[in-house]
Amino acid sequence: ELKVEQNPLFLSMQEGKNYTIYCNYSTTSDRLYWYRQDPGKSLESLFVLLSNGAVKQEGRLMASLDTKARLSTLHITAAVHDLSATYFCAVDWGNGGSQGNLIFGKGTKLSVKP
Amino acid sequence: NAGVMQNPRHLVRRRGQEARLRCSPMKGHSHVYWYRQLPEEGLKFMVYLQKENIIDESGMPKERFSAEFPKEGPSILRIQQVVRGDSAAYFCASSSATTDTQYFGPGTRLTVL
Repeated sequence: ELKVEQNPLFLSMQEGKNYTIYCNYSTTSDRLYWYRQDPGKSLESLFVLLSNGAVKQEGRLMASLDTKARLSTLHITAAVHDLSATYFCAVDWGNGGSQGNLIFGKGTKLSVKP
Repeated sequence: NAGVMQNPRHLVRRRGQEARLRCSPMKGHSHVYWYRQLPEEGLKFMVYLQKENIIDESGMPKERFSAEFPKEGPSILRIQQVVRGDSAAYFCASSSATTDTQYFGPGTRLTVL
């Protein structure tokens, strides 16, 4: 069974600081996704990482994937209050060969304080 | 280009009633996925459908739950004889055959009294 673990689960940061969220998964997969969810809202796609060594950046967020270590990171640079949300990583693990079955981590609840 | 649409956004049912949740995928998308989210938890995969076919239902409870995606019309997630434990947010996502990203709808928040 594929397991996806995120840490930390809760993160309180000061504005302007840097931090990294980690996402470990237990079985081979070459598709990893990061999503953002605001309270009571749906999930917004942030990054799709499709190969070993993939690195993508958007604004103050940068995501990377190491398929050999089964690890993805989401790095936050110079955090601002608007980044406060819950961040999920998800791994695509097709059951029986099909794709589309996303296994989600529990999420990292980020709070950025002035 | 409208995104993934779900209705209703909020649904209240009493124990034993039926709940029907609808999902219209993004234009051009033929793959639909249903997920359930309990409070303070991540999403749990339920079922993956293409038009008129169930591709993967490994996350669906064996009883009371069913899903369809007919040739015409939205995808439907049906929960019969609801129980309090069914209270959750149900999200639908869609993708096309050529995209790697699943785009999520706003969710239906089901409350069972």
